[in-house]
Amino acid sequence: EPEVTQTPSHQVTQMGQEVILRCVPISNHLYFYWYRQILGQKVEFLVSFYNNEISEKSEIFDDQFSVERPDGSNFTLKIRSTKLEDSAMYFCASGRSANEKLFFGSGTQLSVL
Amino acid sequence: EDQVTQSPEALRLQEGESSSLNCSYTVSGLRGLFWYRQDPGKGPEFLFTLYSAGEEKEKERLKATLTKKESFLHITAPKPEDSATYLCAVRDNYGQNFVFGPGTRLSVLP
Repeated sequence: EPEVTQTPSHQVTQMGQEVILRCVPISNHLYFYWYRQILGQKVEFLVSFYNNEISEKSEIFDDQFSVERPDGSNFTLKIRSTKLEDSAMYFCASGRSANEKLFFGSGTQLSVL
Repeated sequence: EDQVTQSPEALRLQEGESSSLNCSYTVSGLRGLFWYRQDPGKGPEFLFTLYSAGEEKEKERLKATLTKKESFLHITAPKPEDSATYLCAVRDNYGQNFVFGPGTRLSVLP
């Protein structure tokens, strides 16, 4: 069964450093998302991406965050200057259409020291 | 603003002891309500989509139902492998994101 893959599974970085989280969505999907989950808290929406542009973003997704689909298969989330409060599990998800379920990757655990 | 609450926060059952999880939502035009299962350290795994009040979906020991204000996930004769956090999420007619509830952490003891 096709799946969303994310790399790395764990990322440790120093405060102020840039990180790039990588995702390979399911190949025939058109809608791409990033969510995050701080330990013990709910899954929170960051951004959705469709037709090579951001279609919706949350208040969390400020100027420090950016997304890119550099080629036909990868989808990346960049955090320009990490803060301690960015420590969380980041999930990539993809969907075939706007009405259907999302498939989630296994996540990247980001720890900012 | 769309809101989702879930109860109880945590639930402990003996193997074979049936129960129900609740998801209450406030949304401006429901496009869909989704149930996911999340194991520790993993991403949410899809279970069901419900689109309109009165709809029901079933899979093995799980059954999901939907009204205009809430959804229930009924677990019949659960087994220890059903232990997980169960998440409810809604999508409205105006946006593309899913709004998740805080989840119910289910433990099934042998």
